[in-house]
Amino acid sequence: DIQMTQSPASLSASVGDRVTITCRASQTIDNNLNWYQHKPGRVPTFLIYAASRLQRGVPSRFSGGGSGTDFTLTISSLQPEDFATYYCQHRGTFGPGTRVDIK
Amino acid sequence: QVTLKESGPVLVKPTETLTLTCTVSGFSLSDPAMGVSWIRQPPGKALEWLAQIFSNGDTSYNSSLKRRLTISKDASKSQVVLTMTEMDPVDTATYSCARMRVVFATRATYYYGMDVWGQGTTVTVSS
Repeated sequence: DIQMTQSPASLSASVGDRVTITCRASQTIDNNLNWYQHKPGRVPTFLIYAASRLQRGVPSRFSGGGSGTDFTLTISSLQPEDFATYYCQHRGTFGPGTRVDIK
Repeated sequence: QVTLKESGPVLVKPTETLTLTCTVSGFSLSDPAMGVSWIRQPPGKALEWLAQIFSNGDTSYNSSLKRRLTISKDASKSQVVLTMTEMDPVDTATYSCARMRVVFATRATYYYGMDVWGQGTTVTVSS
């Protein structure tokens, strides 16, 4: 089975900061990688597919990159509503999540 | 409007079998571009994918839970059912279903994303 890891496990940042989260697959997955945002008490939001393509309605401050085994999710200017946990996903496997907190 | 709604018991006893139903609306379970996944989240822990079923009936399961899980669908009722046997207190979690939609395609493969989620149902395993 392909395993997904994420780093860091958590980070603290301020509004306006540029934030980058890394996701790594245990073997190459081409660009078959999704990203989700999850806030407590809310349903997850589908952000990015095919590693870098923004789902409709997702703000352009979110971007994704990478291919093969290493991927990134970047928020160019963190907004108050972006404080959440972010998960990468390849097919049936989610990464362990990265929690983004307010500094 | 696309919606998914989970239903099932709130409390199950250890060793019992859990049966959860996901009732969907706004799309067809027979649509070739659609499927449904079940995902759970134990309190304070990460999302964990459990199983998925595609429009053609193909299924796949979390390898570590495969022997305990069965997913099926009744397109005429717009329902997807997940059963999990041998429930244990560590299975206490919020169980959610999500629509999987083909969001991208190449000549080699389809890319699916979970674009609409149900609110989830909390299941506690306790005697």
